[in-house]
Amino acid sequence: NAGVTQTPKFQVLKTGQSMTLQCAQDMNHNSMYWYRQDPGMGLRLIYYSASEGTTDKGEVPNGYNVSRLNKREFSLRLESAAPSQTSVYFCASSEERRVTQYFGPGTRLLVL
Amino acid sequence: DQQVKQNSPSLSVQEGRISILNCDYTNSMFDYFLWYKKYPAEGPTFLISISSIKDKNEDGRFTVFLNKSAKHLSLHIVPSQPGDSAVYFCAQTGNQFYFGTGTSLTVIP
Repeated sequence: NAGVTQTPKFQVLKTGQSMTLQCAQDMNHNSMYWYRQDPGMGLRLIYYSASEGTTDKGEVPNGYNVSRLNKREFSLRLESAAPSQTSVYFCASSEERRVTQYFGPGTRLLVL
Repeated sequence: DQQVKQNSPSLSVQEGRISILNCDYTNSMFDYFLWYKKYPAEGPTFLISISSIKDKNEDGRFTVFLNKSAKHLSLHIVPSQPGDSAVYFCAQTGNQFYFGTGTSLTVIP
């Protein structure tokens, strides 16, 4: 069991470029989440997917889009990256909402 | 508005002593609380949780206490070990998950 995997591990973008962060889980979890972690801000929820086929906004969704491709995969897209999106991004999954989440190792994104 | 607050950014404790990490929350509607531990360059890992119907939950060296009237959550680690040095996040869950800003614990050998 790999758990939750994320690609890439590190990425540098120029302002205005687009990219997609990939996340996959092999635990047959229904719910998946994207967070960003910034210094002094803790983890903030960007988007979540309670089940396959559904997505909902979290605390900080502006500038992002998501796709729940299937039960295993949940991607996060930045259409036009901005320096304010420089952060560490974590994907997580859980059996259902409101229970323990399992996190991936994170993607470090630097937007210049 | 911060739903979950960890007012101590850092804490240093001698090995073998007790570590106490604190967390305050604002929304009483949320009924499930968790603590996560995070090492550098890794994702957070689940440590221990507590439901709002309880006031204490224990797992080995880790105990979480919930004081609903004070809207306060604490994590006790006894005895503290150098491997416990990490950032600890408390989290609260209802319709969404809210995480605190984290407390960096250093256990001094």
